[in-house]
Amino acid sequence: NAGVMQNPRHLVRRRGQEARLRCSPMKGHSHVYWYRQLPEEGLKFMVYLQKENIIDESGMPKERFSAEFPKEGPSILRIQQVVRGDSAAYFCASSPPTSIGELFFGEGSRLTVL
Amino acid sequence: RKEVEQDPGPFNVPEGATVAFNCTYSNSASQSFFWYRQDCRKEPKLLMSVYSSGNEDGRFTAQLNRASQYISLLIRDSKLSDSATYLCVVNVVGSTLGRLYFGRGTQLTVWP
Repeated sequence: NAGVMQNPRHLVRRRGQEARLRCSPMKGHSHVYWYRQLPEEGLKFMVYLQKENIIDESGMPKERFSAEFPKEGPSILRIQQVVRGDSAAYFCASSPPTSIGELFFGEGSRLTVL
Repeated sequence: RKEVEQDPGPFNVPEGATVAFNCTYSNSASQSFFWYRQDCRKEPKLLMSVYSSGNEDGRFTAQLNRASQYISLLIRDSKLSDSATYLCVVNVVGSTLGRLYFGRGTQLTVWP
């Protein structure tokens, strides 16, 4: 499967625990984006990364959330001390460098906070 | 005010019907426009880009009216497989290329 790979697909955490979501972009894509979809809401941009660089994190909550895309390995979205309001579907997308608007999304990671 | 507004529906139509969805965007600096499709509990997928001159892809026709900041999608001869949520999406001048603003989506159900 040469598509965007996300794992885990489903994650259950209790309040106060940490959640780590992983994303491997499509082969040949160097740009990774994270979006969040809250229940009954549209997708919201969180962060845009390239290898070893955070390009735009203006959509990230100021606290508890962080993202990275190391030189080797997948991109990671980390949520510390999760709260119930963090329950959502987190989608990773990738694109080639010159793309405007065509993002290729992974199947998403659904986080449930108990 | 939301960047992108859509009628959430749901739209319930019989097979073979023609259905139209509308969308408005608030930022006049929006530069690129798209319709994405999202099946239930799945990821969004690009359906088509929307060009100023309007464009057609098989049974799907997209129109853009920059003066009114309005985008539409027309589906002709609906199929059962068209049942999905249709997302209106824009990109704004000066923002990150892949930073897209999504509407909440319009839900379509096509029944036999």
